[in-house]
Amino acid sequence: QKEVEQDPGPLSVPEGAIVSLNCTYSNSAFQYFMWYRQYSRKGPELLMYTYSSGNKEDGRFTAQVDKSSKYISLFIRDSQPSDSATYLCAMRPQAGTALIFGKGTTLSVSS
Amino acid sequence: SAVISQKPSRDICQRGTSLTIQCQVDSQVTMMFWYRQQPGQSLTLIATANQGSEATYESGFVIDKFPISRPNLTFSTLTVSNMSPEDSSIYLCSAYTRNQETQYFGPGTRLLVL
Repeated sequence: QKEVEQDPGPLSVPEGAIVSLNCTYSNSAFQYFMWYRQYSRKGPELLMYTYSSGNKEDGRFTAQVDKSSKYISLFIRDSQPSDSATYLCAMRPQAGTALIFGKGTTLSVSS
Repeated sequence: SAVISQKPSRDICQRGTSLTIQCQVDSQVTMMFWYRQQPGQSLTLIATANQGSEATYESGFVIDKFPISRPNLTFSTLTVSNMSPEDSSIYLCSAYTRNQETQYFGPGTRLLVL
């Protein structure tokens, strides 16, 4: 079993839809959870960062962490064509250690 | 935040040759890492670049194949040695800021080995 599992998709939605992206993990020591967005031919850019359990909201994006279920989610409201990208979940057990990534989910939002 | 640049952005190389990738960060960072991203795969950590000492390699990666240098707090190089087509991938440099919470990535170096 991989440490971080993420459905690679692809996921296609119409503009304005609510998108749900998810990852599961096996290592209960993970404390820091991140979502990165990667456009084609670009490096990953940090989108959301959450420490431990709970929710975090930033504009149209909401990140949720459920440590009891070892499950994290990213919700995108009112999706836009500019949201079309690959979304990578990443996590690590403590500050200063390298992130472990999921495979990434490719999202396409059509206008 | 930290802005990370990499050179070259892409290259096409012949089997058996070596390529050195440079990574420059615009501010002093505490940790630097090198990742590989193969098509359809997640980012895989190659090694942690330690300033002034040997890099720390992950399982499956060795110094003879991927020598790494980090002479100061803002610069690192990764060499892909004796390349084969299996080394064709995107190589990404990454760094932590001083507060060690946010990990930033460079744009990547796209390598094709023929």
